[in-house]
Amino acid sequence: QVQLVQSGAEVKKPGASLKVSCKASGYSFTNYYIHWVRQAPGQGLEWMGIINPSGGNPTYSEKFQGRVTMTRDTSTSTVYMEMSSLTSEDTAVYYCARRDVVGSTAWLDPWGQGTLVTVSS
Amino acid sequence: AIQMTQSPSSLSASVGDRVTITCRASQGIRNDLGWYQQKPGKAPKLLIYGTSNLQSGVPSRFSGSGSGTDFTLTISSLQPEDFATYYCLQDYNYPWTFGQGTKVEIK
Repeated sequence: QVQLVQSGAEVKKPGASLKVSCKASGYSFTNYYIHWVRQAPGQGLEWMGIINPSGGNPTYSEKFQGRVTMTRDTSTSTVYMEMSSLTSEDTAVYYCARRDVVGSTAWLDPWGQGTLVTVSS
Repeated sequence: AIQMTQSPSSLSASVGDRVTITCRASQGIRNDLGWYQQKPGKAPKLLIYGTSNLQSGVPSRFSGSGSGTDFTLTISSLQPEDFATYYCLQDYNYPWTFGQGTKVEIK
């Protein structure tokens, strides 16, 4: 079945960097874009950006531009999200999700299980 | 960026009640809107895409409507497993933006 499996929880110190992975299976990896979304504790969902596993430049939310880098490895069907200069406000669950499209209509399904990132000194 | 204003932020309802959640976009987004359900500790789950298309496997008590700037998610008869938080998401342009969420609680 179509599945996205993310890397495990991480604890980081302020100022450090983070790299979360999202491994795809059950479908053709390069045919579907991957989005990243995060959710701070007790808060709503926040869209971070999108990467095309076939190549090309990712699109980032302006909020994360310059601090987030999304990459992919087609040999392992894995997408990565790297974030630098972490602060306590980056404490959140980070999700990857596959974008599906029919015509001009798009949606996110499935989602990864989420990766909890805690930033604390 | 397009702002998505979702209301109410929370509601209390009983099993069997009809529940309506609305989302308003700060500009027209055609019908490029989806609805997602999230339960505590779980990833969001797609319910509806393209305003009114029910995702496979989602019960028919869920429905969506609207166009342009105003959209609605309706649960025709609330079931115990429907108590969760619901989010709208516009996919009209980047950055995609979510509504603030509506928490549906048991009355």
